[in-house]
Amino acid sequence: SQTIHQWPATLVQPVGSPLSLECTVEGTSNPNLYWYRQAAGRGLQLLFYSVGIGQISSEVPQNLSASRPQDRQFILSSKKLLLSDSGFYLCAWSVLTEAFFGQGTRLTVV
Amino acid sequence: GENVEQHPSTLSVQEGDSAVIKCTYSDSASNYFPWYKQELGKGPQLIIDIRSNVGEKKDQRIAVTLNKTAKHFSLHITETQPEDSAVYFCAVNYGGSQGNLIFGKGTKLSVKP
Repeated sequence: SQTIHQWPATLVQPVGSPLSLECTVEGTSNPNLYWYRQAAGRGLQLLFYSVGIGQISSEVPQNLSASRPQDRQFILSSKKLLLSDSGFYLCAWSVLTEAFFGQGTRLTVV
Repeated sequence: GENVEQHPSTLSVQEGDSAVIKCTYSDSASNYFPWYKQELGKGPQLIIDIRSNVGEKKDQRIAVTLNKTAKHFSLHITETQPEDSAVYFCAVNYGGSQGNLIFGKGTKLSVKP
């Protein structure tokens, strides 16, 4: 069966520090991979999606970047965090249409 | 682009009552309509979905109805229980079968015992 791992579960980082969130998927090949952000009391905002290794599409301009160094690995990064980067970050995978989410990372920038 | 509107944003019901959440969308090419349940501090979980070739789908106490002409679909939860309390998201695939999911803003459902 397919599983998705996302870590860390919680993270507190100072303003201006770098960020690296990692997501890996098991049990499937060539999935579409996604990073979403969920601000408090708001819906899910698509940040990046990838249809293959090295292929990244950005949905919104921002302080973040994404990379897909391997088929089942998706990384969300920032060189310098802003206060506004705080939120709940979710990785997801899909093949065709159904999407399945990781457990999320609660990022607090202080 | 695709626009997904979800209503209501909050919903409070008594245990045993029914709950209905509605979403509207704009892209006529959309053909996949899932619903997700998100419990506090966790990622969303797919609970039911419907494709455009059917009008209704049921799974025990939950059902989804789709009106493609009017571009809206609804989640129905019957005989609600306290464990149904969560945030529910509708989603629509944008750009056809291989498209990305666009989510509604969510509905916080509270079931009072």
